[in-house]
Amino acid sequence: EIVLTQSPGTLSLSPGERATLSCRASQSVSNIYLAWYQQKPGQAPRLLIYDASNRATGIPDRFSGSGSGTDFTLTIDSLEPEDFAVYYCQQYGYSPRTFGQGTKVEIK
Amino acid sequence: EEQLVESGGGLVKPGVSLRLSCVASGFTFSNYDMNWVRQAPGKGLEWVSSISSTASSYIYYADSVKGRFTISRDNAKNSLYLQMDSLRAEDTAVYYCVGSRGAFSYWGQGTLVTVSS
Repeated sequence: EIVLTQSPGTLSLSPGERATLSCRASQSVSNIYLAWYQQKPGQAPRLLIYDASNRATGIPDRFSGSGSGTDFTLTIDSLEPEDFAVYYCQQYGYSPRTFGQGTKVEIK
Repeated sequence: EEQLVESGGGLVKPGVSLRLSCVASGFTFSNYDMNWVRQAPGKGLEWVSSISSTASSYIYYADSVKGRFTISRDNAKNSLYLQMDSLRAEDTAVYYCVGSRGAFSYWGQGTLVTVSS
């Protein structure tokens, strides 16, 4: 099983600042099959990034993903008020399709 | 607009069974792999099970539910199912139905399953 470890657990930032979220895999992720999701309270998760660096339909370009192998990053340039949420990474190259434990981006 | 609507959740006692259903609309259901993901109260996301688009390529389960849960689909009815047997308190969660072609693209709003005596 591929274990995904996200850091930090909580990120306290102000609107307009840049957020950098990390996701580290216990072994190499197949074919960069790594996604990022955003979840707001009371809502279902939403796909942001797939295949490590591709934005999903309708996702603003302030969201970007990068990385390969075992180290992946989600960057949010210039945080908007609606970006404060919990973010999860997930690998879907192997079964079980594991999720990270999440990073909460909160307003400082 | 792509939509997934789950149903079948509720409050049940440990040891009983429950069947979740999910109906899809707004996309070609038969072209998508389907999944169940759950989220315990206040916790993170946990993948539960996946089934390939035709159900003949693969079916996978998390170790935590293997032997107790059964995923199935009916492409003629645009529907996904999760038969949950021998439910335990630790199965308490919101269960999401999710469509995927690789990444998990389409998510339902979830149905709450509470297992408590």
